[in-house]
Amino acid sequence: GAVVSQHPSWVICKSGTSVKIECRSLDFQATTMFWYRQFPKQSLMLMATSNEGSKATYEQGVEKDKFLINHASLTLSTLTVTSAHPEDSSFYICSARDGDRNWETQYFGPGTRLLVL
Amino acid sequence: GQNIDQPTEMTATEGAIVQINCTYQTSGFNGLFWYQQHAGEAPTFLSYNVLDGLEEKGRFSSFLSRSKGYSYLLLKELQMKDSASYLCAVMDSNYQLIWGAGTKLIIKP
Repeated sequence: GAVVSQHPSWVICKSGTSVKIECRSLDFQATTMFWYRQFPKQSLMLMATSNEGSKATYEQGVEKDKFLINHASLTLSTLTVTSAHPEDSSFYICSARDGDRNWETQYFGPGTRLLVL
Repeated sequence: GQNIDQPTEMTATEGAIVQINCTYQTSGFNGLFWYQQHAGEAPTFLSYNVLDGLEEKGRFSSFLSRSKGYSYLLLKELQMKDSASYLCAVMDSNYQLIWGAGTKLIIKP
């Protein structure tokens, strides 16, 4: 149980375009989902926390107009990187908490590698 | 401020035992997590400790001392596939996870 999927796993795009990443909890309802970014050989950096049906809470230094997060249902959250630039190239990982059991544990999706040319 | 400290890198031999330490200073405490992250992959959950003591799960065990702000992850009978980064994370009073930078574990034959 507690499986989280992400799509796509890889994306290469041109500078200036927008990219949408989906995060789904497959076998549980995720009341809270998290979006992280990880640069090579660095630790996870929390970007934002999203609760179903409400606006995401962004960490300091993360531009909410650039990284649009939508958590429209208990099983789906999306992260849209708008007007992507090469410095946005990174490994984006989502995680989700199971609201019914083991609520404290975050289960991670497999991640999405974004390369902006 | 909030701080999680763990060694940057450790090396161990296949079949041996290794202990990865983690010390923390956070605003409140609602549990400590250990995650394993293989290169290029997302983290996978290993353990969660909220009470003092040792939790054993197969070859992996995790220990917590809240009074000392200290935890360790113990890996026994090391296998080559255990080569990975091990992330320590503490849930603070706001139920936010504070992440350590991770310990890269290198297993040698």
